[in-house]
Amino acid sequence: DVKVTQSSRYLVKRTGEKVFLECVQDMDHENMFWYRQDPGLGLRLIYFSYDVKMKEKGDIPEGYSVSREKKERFSLILESASTNQTSMYLCASSLWRREKNIQYFGAGTRLSVL
Amino acid sequence: DAKTTQPNSMESNEEEPVHLPCNHSTISGTDYIHWYRQLPSQGPEYVIHGLTSNVNNRMASLAIAEDRKSSTLILHRATLRDAAVYYCILSRGSGGSNYKLTFGKGTLLTVNP
Repeated sequence: DVKVTQSSRYLVKRTGEKVFLECVQDMDHENMFWYRQDPGLGLRLIYFSYDVKMKEKGDIPEGYSVSREKKERFSLILESASTNQTSMYLCASSLWRREKNIQYFGAGTRLSVL
Repeated sequence: DAKTTQPNSMESNEEEPVHLPCNHSTISGTDYIHWYRQLPSQGPEYVIHGLTSNVNNRMASLAIAEDRKSSTLILHRATLRDAAVYYCILSRGSGGSNYKLTFGKGTLLTVNP
């Protein structure tokens, strides 16, 4: 089974701190994603990576950056955390094929910024 | 991007079949229909997908209308563990941004014992 592991289930940080959210997948997938999920807004794509060192902005990249130095690991970085970044963060990976675009998700990291 | 429309919520009884509808009237010829679900306190998980023909797997069945403007996810015998938010998503089969899955608000399924 595909496994996508997020480093923390719960995280509490202070405003202005630099925050790293880590995600590791074990299926050699090319694509990796970071989403945030907020009540009433659904899942929104923050960033996407289709290869090592390659990235694309999603729908809401402001205030975030990402790093992908190895194929299996995709990190989301909040350079200076703010309270409006309190949210559930979900990582996903996929081996995209036109006929089978299946994303596998981690369990999520609930981040609180105080 | 083509959009999907789902009821906000549905209710079912345990061990009864559940039919979750989805409308996607602006679907294009190369769009695949995907269903994911999200159990409480977990990330979404893939359920099933199809293009034109009905599909079955161990989790569910997917019935696709002949004109492809709607589809129905069928859970044959609902269990309490099927209580979740179910998302119907169109995946572009060609063109730019074809990696994207746009999650709407989905349907919250409640299963009564």
